[in-house]
Amino acid sequence: DAGITQSPRYKITETGRQVTLMCHQTWSHSYMFWYRQDLGHGLRLIYYSAAADITDKGEVPDGYVVSRSKTENFPLTLESATRSQTSVYFCASRDTGQNTEAFFGQGTRLTVV
Amino acid sequence: DAKTTQPTSMDCAEGRAANLPCNHSTISGNEYVYWYRQIHSQGPQYIIHGLKNNETNEMASLIITEDRKSSTLILPHATLRDTAVYYCIVRVNTNAGKSTFGDGTTLTVKP
Repeated sequence: DAGITQSPRYKITETGRQVTLMCHQTWSHSYMFWYRQDLGHGLRLIYYSAAADITDKGEVPDGYVVSRSKTENFPLTLESATRSQTSVYFCASRDTGQNTEAFFGQGTRLTVV
Repeated sequence: DAKTTQPTSMDCAEGRAANLPCNHSTISGNEYVYWYRQIHSQGPQYIIHGLKNNETNEMASLIITEDRKSSTLILPHATLRDTAVYYCIVRVNTNAGKSTFGDGTTLTVKP
C-alpha cells in the first residue's frame, strides 16, 4: 500500500534499553522528519533528512540517533531510553519543490518504564 | 523558519464558520503559510497553504493579510468531525524547509 507507515504502533521499554522506531514511505520523497509529541503539547522536531545519507538535527536531538541508508526508510534509535522520552513519535515525508505538503504516519506511542 | 502564535483554544457552533487566526509577524518574503490539523491522536493532516494570495480548496479557505503578518483559516461550515488541533506553520519551500510546530489551536465544534 502506498503511504507512510510507522512500526511498531505501541512500544513499552525499560530505562537504559536501546529501541528503534521504524518509518517507511513508498513515494520516494526526498525529505523525511521525526517529531515527538508529549501529552497535551505540539510537535517538536527531532531530526530530519534531505536525502539518503544526509541528516540534520532539529529542535530536540539529544538522546536520539537517525540514519538514512535508503530513501524510503528513516529509522529513529533511542540509544539508552529514559523516562523523559516517553512520548508519541511521528514520522513525516514530503517531496522537493514548491507547494509540497508533508504526509505523516500514524505515530508510535513509546512508554519508557 | 518564522515562529507563529495561535490562540490556545476556540469553540464553534456546528454549521457555522470557524475562523482560526494565526500571527506570524516575523515571516520572511519566501516563507509560505501552511495549515495542518490533528484529529485526536492521529498524525497531522495537511489542510491548505499560501504565500500571499488568498487560497481556497475543498476543505478550507486561507486569508493572508496584505502585510503577511497574520492569516486566518476558515472552515465555512464546521462539523463535529472538524474538532481537532489546528497548527499554523511557516516555512520556505526551497530548502529542507523543516516545519516547526507550536502547540496549535484546539477547536471544539459544539452541536
